Amino acid sequence: GAVVSQHPSWVICKSGTSVKIECRSLDFQATTMFWYRQFPKQSLMLMATSNEGSKATYEQGVEKDKFLINHASLTLSTLTVTSAHPEDSSFYICSARARGQNNSPLHFGNGTRLTVT
Amino acid sequence: QQPVQSPQAVILREGEDAVINCSSSKALYSVHWYRQKHGEAPVFLMILLKGGEQKGHEKISASFNEKKQQSSLYLTASQLSYSGTYFCGTDTSNTGKLIFGQGTTLQVKP
Repeated sequence: GAVVSQHPSWVICKSGTSVKIECRSLDFQATTMFWYRQFPKQSLMLMATSNEGSKATYEQGVEKDKFLINHASLTLSTLTVTSAHPEDSSFYICSARARGQNNSPLHFGNGTRLTVT
Repeated sequence: QQPVQSPQAVILREGEDAVINCSSSKALYSVHWYRQKHGEAPVFLMILLKGGEQKGHEKISASFNEKKQQSSLYLTASQLSYSGTYFCGTDTSNTGKLIFGQGTTLQVKP
């Protein structure tokens, strides 16, 4: 159980376009999902906390208008990278925790490798 | 604030042991350990909660010293499959939000 599905697994887009990444919890409900970004050989950097039915909470230094997060249901959160630029190229990973279990493990999606040309 | 992991990298022969440390400047509610292989998502290993507990999973165990705000991951009799990058994730706000350390790369050689 506790499967998180992320789509697409990779995407190549042109500079200036927008890309949407989906994160779904397949067999549990998630009131909260977390979006991380990882550059090569670096750590997982938390971008934002996605809250079902309310606005996302962004970490310091993360542009809200550039990384749009929508958590419309208990099983789906989306991250849209707007007006993407080459420096946005990275590995984006979502994670989710089952509803009401604050100290339970985070379950990660398989990640989306974004390349902006 | 990002927890600090040490060492940054370890090279072992099969069967050898290793210890990875994770230190926080803030009080911890929980510490989570994950292993990530190249190009893949992190895989959960274990979670330690407030209370100074120690947990084990096959030949991998961990301890959590709440007072020192530290956790250690112990890998005994290492196997080739243990190779990867190990991350500790810390919750300092009791919100479930995890901040990860910079990672420790472990390479196990035959």
